[in-house]
Amino acid sequence: DQQVKQNSPSLSVQEGRISILNCDYTNSMFDYFLWYKKYPAEGPTFLISISSIKDKNEDGRFTVFLNKSAKHLSLHIVPSQPGDSAVYFCAARTNYGGSQGNLIFGKGTKLSVKP
Amino acid sequence: ETGVTQTPRHLVMGMTNKKSLKCEQHLGHNAMYWYKQSAKKPLELMFVYNFKEQTENNSVPSRFSPECPNSSHLFLHLHTLQPEDSALYLCASSQGAGGYSGELFFGEGSRLTVL
Repeated sequence: DQQVKQNSPSLSVQEGRISILNCDYTNSMFDYFLWYKKYPAEGPTFLISISSIKDKNEDGRFTVFLNKSAKHLSLHIVPSQPGDSAVYFCAARTNYGGSQGNLIFGKGTKLSVKP
Repeated sequence: ETGVTQTPRHLVMGMTNKKSLKCEQHLGHNAMYWYKQSAKKPLELMFVYNFKEQTENNSVPSRFSPECPNSSHLFLHLHTLQPEDSALYLCASSQGAGGYSGELFFGEGSRLTVL
């Protein structure tokens, strides 16, 4: 059973508008949540993270929101740019048992930003 | 040199072949990882090494054999693979197991095709 879920495989947004990528998780023991971006033929690159004790973290055009009661996080990109077109992975870090520090990834959401 | 380098980038092998994937990190990190990315699946953690010691083996079949001679190098030895093992194999590193806040640095991946 997937502990980190990205239910939208793809998202298309017009340049300049807001992109909202969503992620749900099932395990309340995760201590950090992260977003990675992946271009074709490249490895994932870290984008932004949030501690489980926070509800918002902002870095330039990227903001991550965490709703612990709903076990939901989202990544907002404002304004969206064509260069943001990539696959975005949500990940959660375990902090329990023998798997401390391991990341569990969602399947990814492919974002297309149209000019 | 880029942070995490993987070779080869592409590999085609028969089911009876023996080959190896290589990963090298130039970031001074002490933890290294192998992840597998199959089509339409989340990134799956395979192995974790922290200070050259294997700390995680995520129920990976023995036809995959990792080796970590030092904190900068990680190998994945492959033998008698199956066609379903065809995937993108990603190496990553971090400062400490799980990184400071979960941040991993990924290589560009080795695309493996098993015929």
